[in-house]
Amino acid sequence: DGGITQSPKYLFRKEGQNVTLSCEQNLNHDAMYWYRQDPGQGLRLIYYSQIVNDFQKGDIAEGYSVSREKKESFPLTVTSAQKNPTAFYLCASSIGTGSGSYEQYFGPGTRLTVT
Amino acid sequence: DAKTTQPPSMDCAEGRAANLPCNHSTISGNEYVYWYRQIHSQGPQYIIHGLKNNETNEMASLIITEDRKSSTLILPHATLRDTAVYYCIVRVAVRRGGSQGNLIFGKGTKLSVKP
Repeated sequence: DGGITQSPKYLFRKEGQNVTLSCEQNLNHDAMYWYRQDPGQGLRLIYYSQIVNDFQKGDIAEGYSVSREKKESFPLTVTSAQKNPTAFYLCASSIGTGSGSYEQYFGPGTRLTVT
Repeated sequence: DAKTTQPPSMDCAEGRAANLPCNHSTISGNEYVYWYRQIHSQGPQYIIHGLKNNETNEMASLIITEDRKSSTLILPHATLRDTAVYYCIVRVAVRRGGSQGNLIFGKGTKLSVKP
């Protein structure tokens, strides 16, 4: 049963704490992405990775960090430097990122609430 | 990067065709048009994409105008489960040092299918 899993579905943290969101895929996809969604808004790209041990900043990378030590895993850490961390976080993957047409497949998301 | 314009909301009667328009007048020749949808509190779901020709799959049809400046997503027989936010996205062109293959999500069209 192939797909993308994100855990947990809901996460609560106190302000000032770092928190790591999990994203795993068994689709054998090279590329993985992290997006953030705020209420009533579209998705904004945080980080993406085209291949293992490589990742690039997206449009809103400040206050976030990632790692890509394995092809199937792309964890996102929301650090205490992120001023407004409460949001819906979505992970996605695609076969590649080149000049062809590669649709992205999304996980179910993690809703993070920081108080 | 080409941007898209969609109506914020639309209604459709159950069983009828839902036609969702999208304007992308600044689209470049090598940019694809993608459609995703997002059911409340879930990750976006890929629907269909195209470059120049009309496309059809088991979910929907995509009609792209000859000048490629606009497109229409057609759900032939809308059901209540098709109620979602529909995103029309033009894939960003490759640029030096930039992000390849990333999708820019706007606010989309909220489609409400009514019994």
